[in-house]
This record gives sequence, C-alpha cells and structure tokens, in this order.
Amino acid sequence: DTGVSQNPRHKITKRGQNVTFRCDPISEHNRLYWYRQTLGQGPEFLTYFQNEAQLEKSRLLSDRFSAERPKGSFSTLEIQRTEQGDSAMYLCASSLGQTQYFGPGTRLLVL
Amino acid sequence: DQQVKQNSPSLSVQEGRISILNCDYTNSMFDYFLWYKKYPAEGPTFLISISSIKDKNEDGRFTVFLNKSAKHLSLHIVPSQPGDSAVYFCAATVSGGYQKVTFGTGTKLQVIP
Repeated sequence: DTGVSQNPRHKITKRGQNVTFRCDPISEHNRLYWYRQTLGQGPEFLTYFQNEAQLEKSRLLSDRFSAERPKGSFSTLEIQRTEQGDSAMYLCASSLGQTQYFGPGTRLLVL
Repeated sequence: DQQVKQNSPSLSVQEGRISILNCDYTNSMFDYFLWYKKYPAEGPTFLISISSIKDKNEDGRFTVFLNKSAKHLSLHIVPSQPGDSAVYFCAATVSGGYQKVTFGTGTKLQVIP
C-alpha cells in the first residue's frame, strides 16, 4: 500500500498526559499537512511542512502542540498536557501538486 | 468565519437517481476546489477537483460544476449507488501558496436501494 499511513489509529489517554502521533506520507510527496476534525465539522488545518521546513501554523496550534518532520520524510505531532478539548480525529495529508491525499487518521480520546 | 459552506447536512436519494451536493464559498481568492468522500473512522478520500479556469469537470459518474460569479459549486453523482453513501466534503484552496485546504462541514449522503 503506497498511501498515507498514520499510527496509532486510536489513542486513549488521561488528561495531562503527553501523546505523539506519527504520519508517513506518500514517498515522493514533499508537502505534508496536519488537520484536526471534530464531530460534525470538516477537517481544520493545523500545520504544513514543505520537506523538513514547517512553513505555516494555524492559530489552532497552541503552544502545547508541536510538529516535526525530520529529514523531510515522516512527521510527528506531539500534544503535551492533553486536555479534554483535544479529543478529535487528527488527520495527516501529503501532496506533490494541488491535490492532498489523506491518511486514515488517529482518533484521540482524552479522559 | 465559515469560508466554505455546505448548507445541507444530509441528503437521501434513491439508487439509480442523481445526487446533487451543493457548496458555497465566500473567499474570492480560492481558485482550486475539491470534493472528498469520507466513510466513518476513515480519512477523507479524494474524489474530483476543478480549477477556477474551468466550469465543469467530469470523471465517470462524478461531475463537478463551478459557478464563479455565484461562488457556488456542485457535485453530481449519476447514477447514485448504495456504495456512494458517505459524508461528502467540499473543499477549497488558493493555488501557488501553501495550499492549505479549507473544508466545509460536510453533507451526509444516503443512497437508498
């Protein structure tokens, strides 16, 4: 399978804990995006990488969130001191041109 | 502010008939539009796109129409099949920049056998 993959698919954590998600984009794609989706809403943009450079961050990305893309390949999204409001589906997408291709997402539940 | 709007949260259509999903946008900078289909517990799957230089794009059973003056686009599915039952997201972006995609809130399509 050569699509975007994300791990884990599901994560349950307690409030205050740190969590980290991983995204492996389609191999030749140089652009990588993170989105968050809550119930009844469309995905909302969080951040964007071109190769290893993080070029844009949404105001939704508070200082508890950090994303990296070392060597321009896979990316990680870390949430520190999780809050119940962080419960959502976290989606990763990659692209070479104008069309973004999404992974299956990581569903986070903060208790 | 909701820059991409899908005002119909749900739509039911008989199998074999046409499904028409509508979308409006407010940001005149948007010049590339996409439709994604999403099943529960999965990520959005790209369906079809259209550039603002066109007013129609067709791919098999799926056709997207763009009316720039009205800032409106629609997705037509003909004929509708039960496997088309999913949530459909309209999305828009500004090409040439970082191309972050702005999504609508989705329309849940149910195709009744």
